[in-house]
Amino acid sequence: AQKITQTQPGMFVQEKEAVTLDCTYDTSDQSYGLFWYKQPSSGEMIFLIYQGSYDEQNATEGRYSLNFQKARKSANLVISASQLGDSAMYFCAMREGRGTDKLIFGTGTRLQVFP
Amino acid sequence: DAGITQSPRHKVTETGTPVTLRCHQTENHRYMYWYRQDPGHGLRLIHYSYGVKDTDKGEVSDGYSVSRSKTEDFLLTLESATSSQTSVYFCAISDVGGFVGNTEAFFGQGTRLTVV
Repeated sequence: AQKITQTQPGMFVQEKEAVTLDCTYDTSDQSYGLFWYKQPSSGEMIFLIYQGSYDEQNATEGRYSLNFQKARKSANLVISASQLGDSAMYFCAMREGRGTDKLIFGTGTRLQVFP
Repeated sequence: DAGITQSPRHKVTETGTPVTLRCHQTENHRYMYWYRQDPGHGLRLIHYSYGVKDTDKGEVSDGYSVSRSKTEDFLLTLESATSSQTSVYFCAISDVGGFVGNTEAFFGQGTRLTVV
């Protein structure tokens, strides 16, 4: 069955440092997509980055990169040069490519950036 | 911003009453999803739709039903509301990608439902 696991309920990082948020997934499909979303305290869901199961290179979007290790079924988010505004909940998600495109989320990691 | 609207944004209802939440989109996206968000549980999928009249259950579908009679509207109904259904409900939409899953989902602003 499709499953997303985020084992870090909370993380702390000092401003300007890098931080890695862990995500592992389970699926029997060969075709799937992995996503990271940010949810600040205001509540909206903000898309950060996408990685396809057939992508050979790790995805990057500005200060965000996705460390994709397919054999280990992990898709960790790396935030470089953390900023105070990065304090938020971060969710990992997976979408299966069976035509129904079921999209499920992990339980999230609360990141707090301190000066 | 993607055109997606949830209504109502806030609702207080009594145990045992039926409640319908509406998700309306103006993007003509194929896929629509309903989630509930609770502390410690993240976003849990309730039901989703992959086309008009094509819906399927998510991981927490008990006590909920959905309908999608046209592309732009996806309704979530709590048949008989219970206190355990007090939550924040999010609707999301997504288009068909050129390859599997390579289009992100866009979210509504959420509906805060309190069952007393």
